[in-house]
Amino acid sequence: AQSVTQLGSHVSVSEGALVLLRCNYSSSVPPYLFWYVQYPNQGLQLLLKYTTGATLVKGINGFEAEFKKSETSFHLTKPSAHMSDAAEYFCAVSDRASGTYKYIFGTGTRLKVLA
Amino acid sequence: DAGVIQSPRHEVTEMGQEVTLRCKPISGHNSLFWYRQTMMRGLELLIYFNNNVPIDDSGMPEDRFSAKMPNASFSTLKIQPSEPRDSAVYFCASSKTEVSYEQYFGPGTRLTVT
Repeated sequence: AQSVTQLGSHVSVSEGALVLLRCNYSSSVPPYLFWYVQYPNQGLQLLLKYTTGATLVKGINGFEAEFKKSETSFHLTKPSAHMSDAAEYFCAVSDRASGTYKYIFGTGTRLKVLA
Repeated sequence: DAGVIQSPRHEVTEMGQEVTLRCKPISGHNSLFWYRQTMMRGLELLIYFNNNVPIDDSGMPEDRFSAKMPNASFSTLKIQPSEPRDSAVYFCASSKTEVSYEQYFGPGTRLTVT
């Protein structure tokens, strides 16, 4: 069965510091991986995705993630945190093994940016 | 593109009442997903439609919940009768699965059952 683990339900960084949000997955087939961001009282917004090809993917707002098959990881990074990055971040894997288009979501990481 | 549209944005109702949540997916998208988000349980997939047909409803909590998709541009999630434990934010998402797997989420409906 496919699964997603996000390490750290809460992460705090100083403004201008590196942001690193961790995501590990388990999949029996080549995974399609996604990061979403949720700002307070809003829906989820796609940050970036990996399907095939280049393993380093760039997304919106300066975020990027690298697919590492050997580590079964898809960590999200941003070189310099901004106050506006404070939000909850969700990693997801598409449940392709089931032949459906469902996502398996992680439990989310709430990012706090300190001034 | 208008994005996924959900209505109402907020709903407050009394226990025992019927609640209907509505969703209009992005035009041209052929898959539609209903999710529920709570602090305790996080984000849960309730039901998933492909080409207007329910594919997986294993996440629907119980018989009080039902969902329909009568056409490609409209879906409803109904709770009858509602209970306080149904209080949550309900999201609808759509995708164009032949092209990509990415899902686009609506703004959600915040349901409060008193």
